[in-house]
Amino acid sequence: DAKTTQPPSMDCAEGRAANLPCNHSTISGNEYVYWYRQIHSQGPQYIIHGLKNNETNEMASLIITEDRKSSTLILPHATLRDTAVYYCIVRAWNTGNQFYFGTGTSLTVIP
Amino acid sequence: EPEVTQTPSHQVTQMGQEVILRCVPISNHLYFYWYRQILGQKVEFLVSFYNNEISEKSEIFDDQFSVERPDGSNFTLKIRSTKLEDSAMYFCASSDSGRADSNQPQHFGDGTRLSIL
Repeated sequence: DAKTTQPPSMDCAEGRAANLPCNHSTISGNEYVYWYRQIHSQGPQYIIHGLKNNETNEMASLIITEDRKSSTLILPHATLRDTAVYYCIVRAWNTGNQFYFGTGTSLTVIP
Repeated sequence: EPEVTQTPSHQVTQMGQEVILRCVPISNHLYFYWYRQILGQKVEFLVSFYNNEISEKSEIFDDQFSVERPDGSNFTLKIRSTKLEDSAMYFCASSDSGRADSNQPQHFGDGTRLSIL
């Protein structure tokens, strides 16, 4: 199963940055960290992924610690539409090419 | 932006009937997947498909399930004799690469809600 640990829920004020943590202390050297979100039973939506360097795209930033044992997804200016379940997934290279989804973090953006 | 499309959005079927769920992956993608999510539970991997054959499948994907790429654009999941416990959201996904040491993400459709009566 997924080798990640995330808080079950978080709140964030609208317009503020949402910082979602993920622990992946057993990550291997060639495993990437992926973030997806799922809004109200829609399909999982890809957000961002990275290996060791910090990454940024139009949706979010991904900060990976130097030892790669944890990461943080940052939504710089959260909106009500960012309310969703956020999944941090480590790609397990020796168990095939599927993604293992855990229970994620339920983020609620508060007006 | 290209996207994965799934039809129908909702399928209601009598128990014991066959059902086919359809997906159109992103056009230049080569790797295809089915996942399911029972209401209130995790998203679970069912099967991956490449080069016209199954590359990986989970314990859930038993003999009642099959997948097919009948033409150059569609990817289907068939459940031969549906059971009540098959009621779930079924998500199709595709990616440029299915290699586990590749970093390409999978892109998901919005799913088909399957309800077995």
